[in-house]
Amino acid sequence: NAGVTQTPKFQVLKTGQSMTLQCAQDMNHNSMYWYRQDPGMGLRLIYYSASEGTTDKGEVPNGYNVSRLNKREFSLRLESAAPSQTSVYFCASSGLGRDHRYEQYFGPGTRLTVT
Amino acid sequence: AQSVTQLGSHVSVSEGALVLLRCNYSSSVPPYLFWYVQYPNQGLQLLLKYTTGATLVKGINGFEAEFKKSETSFHLTKPSAHMSDAAEYFCAVTSYSSASKIIFGSGTRLSIRP
Repeated sequence: NAGVTQTPKFQVLKTGQSMTLQCAQDMNHNSMYWYRQDPGMGLRLIYYSASEGTTDKGEVPNGYNVSRLNKREFSLRLESAAPSQTSVYFCASSGLGRDHRYEQYFGPGTRLTVT
Repeated sequence: AQSVTQLGSHVSVSEGALVLLRCNYSSSVPPYLFWYVQYPNQGLQLLLKYTTGATLVKGINGFEAEFKKSETSFHLTKPSAHMSDAAEYFCAVTSYSSASKIIFGSGTRLSIRP
């Protein structure tokens, strides 16, 4: 099992460019999440998808869109990148069953720089 | 609303010494609490969790944490630090009714002195 995979690992964009961050999980999890991590601020939830076909805003959704393509894949799109979106982006998924649905499994992250 | 406060953005201990990382939470409903560890250039990995039942929970790599409702705390401890424990540690909170939204603390960077 690969767990949660993210592509790309690194990306540099110019202000105004667009891009899509890809995330896939092979654990048959229902829920998937996108976070951004900035120094001293922990992880902040951008969007999440509680199940296939649904998406909801998190704490910092402005400037982002998401697509839950199927149960495995959850993508994050920046339509017009801004320097404030320079960050490390993590995708996560959470498990099945009453005792495990709270445990989130994280991908390795995408380091995005917007100049 | 729920929140988490981690006291100390950076903690440094000697190898073999006690590790104590502090976490206080705020929650109007029974909380579910977690500690995650992040090694450099990696994603987060679950160390341990408290949902219900025993208030002292044991995790991986010799870490444990105790849920103290009266003190609204969930501090992380390890009796003897190893060099490999150097990482960033995040405390997090959610609840049964909002399991899709986990609130993370700002993190504590643990350094180990030889």
